[in-house]
Amino acid sequence: DQQVKQNSPSLSVQEGRISILNCDYTNSMFDYFLWYKKYPAEGPTFLISISSIKDKNEDGRFTVFLNKSAKHLSLHIVPSQPGDSAVYFCAASASADSWGKFQFGAGTQVVVTP
Amino acid sequence: GAGVSQSPRYKVAKRGQDVALRCDPISGHVSLFWYQQALGQGPEFLTYFQNEAQLDKSGLPSDRFFAERPEGSVSTLKIQRTQQEDSAVYLCASSFTGRDTQYFGPGTRLTVL
Repeated sequence: DQQVKQNSPSLSVQEGRISILNCDYTNSMFDYFLWYKKYPAEGPTFLISISSIKDKNEDGRFTVFLNKSAKHLSLHIVPSQPGDSAVYFCAASASADSWGKFQFGAGTQVVVTP
Repeated sequence: GAGVSQSPRYKVAKRGQDVALRCDPISGHVSLFWYQQALGQGPEFLTYFQNEAQLDKSGLPSDRFFAERPEGSVSTLKIQRTQQEDSAVYLCASSFTGRDTQYFGPGTRLTVL
């Protein structure tokens, strides 16, 4: 069963505008979340994380929001740049696990147009 | 280099052939993970090592899949008698501990004909 879902397979946004990527999860034990970015023919690279004790984390142009009651997180990219065109994966883990086993969503392809 | 490296980057195998995929984690990283990524999907967990100990192999799809990390650094994922459904990108990741950020290698794209 898919415990982490990214329901939008693709997103197109104009350069300079905001990109909003969404991720939903079903396992209430998940308490640590990551976003990864992936370019073609490369492995995923870590972007930003958030733990369940927070509802927001910022790093430069990237902000992740966590809504625990809705089991929903989102990644905001402001302003979007052409180099942001990539596939974005959200991932979740539960500290109750003996180790940090991450479940990944299927990814959202972002295309930033000039 | 400083990152996770994997070899080969591309592998084409005939059905029934055995393959071995190699992962060199970041030096000093205790934890090592293997993932399988099918086209259009996210990475799916295969197995986890802490040093040389394989602590979780619940994601290995069949007994044709075998992974080892004998000295707690380099790891090999072996697939015996490959089938067409094994075609995927195999990603390796490492982290300092099991719970922190995982750093991924570029992957090995396996195509089984």
